[in-house]
Amino acid sequence: DGGITQSPKYLFRKEGQNVTLSCEQNLNHDAMYWYRQDPGQGLRLIYYSQIVNDFQKGDIAEGYSVSREKKESFPLTVTSAQKNPTAFYLCASSMPYRPYEQYFGPGTRLTVT
Amino acid sequence: GQQVMQIPQYQHVQEGEDFTTYCNSSTTLSNIQWYKQRPGGHPVFLIQLVKSGEVKKQKRLTFQFGEAKKNSSLHITATQTTDVGTYFCAGRNSSNTGKLIFGQGTTLQVKP
Repeated sequence: DGGITQSPKYLFRKEGQNVTLSCEQNLNHDAMYWYRQDPGQGLRLIYYSQIVNDFQKGDIAEGYSVSREKKESFPLTVTSAQKNPTAFYLCASSMPYRPYEQYFGPGTRLTVT
Repeated sequence: GQQVMQIPQYQHVQEGEDFTTYCNSSTTLSNIQWYKQRPGGHPVFLIQLVKSGEVKKQKRLTFQFGEAKKNSSLHITATQTTDVGTYFCAGRNSSNTGKLIFGQGTTLQVKP
């Protein structure tokens, strides 16, 4: 069954701690994306990767880091430098360089207190 | 930078009424996509429009892409409770290769 998995669904952390969100896909897609969703603000792009071992900053990359060591995996680390980390995080994948649709994972809701 | 504005932010309708959401870009788009996110869910791709003036239909949903490729609309005829959710437009301009710029979304509530 092909798709994108994100884990965990809910995550709670104390302020000052780094946390890594998992994203795995078995769609054989080259491109992967991380978005942040806040109420009333739509989806904002954090980082994206068109190919393994390469990634670019999106519109709100400050306080986040990513790696792309494998085609199937694109983990996102929310660092303690991110001033307002509580949000719903969505991972997506697509074929690169063409206007193909993006397939989204179920999301991780991160709460930092 | 490029912006995609979407209105209205919220819409409450009685079941059976029509619904329209509008999307406007500050720059010319190479294509536009529409996604639906059910409450508690994740965005799901609905359709992509590429040509100037293009109109596509999916059952009760009608999608339009403006002649200048800077605006788009989604119209739902005779809404049903299953139409509840947030509808996002997402545009891509010709200068970037993979990034989509999402509108803020329109959240539709349907009263039975």
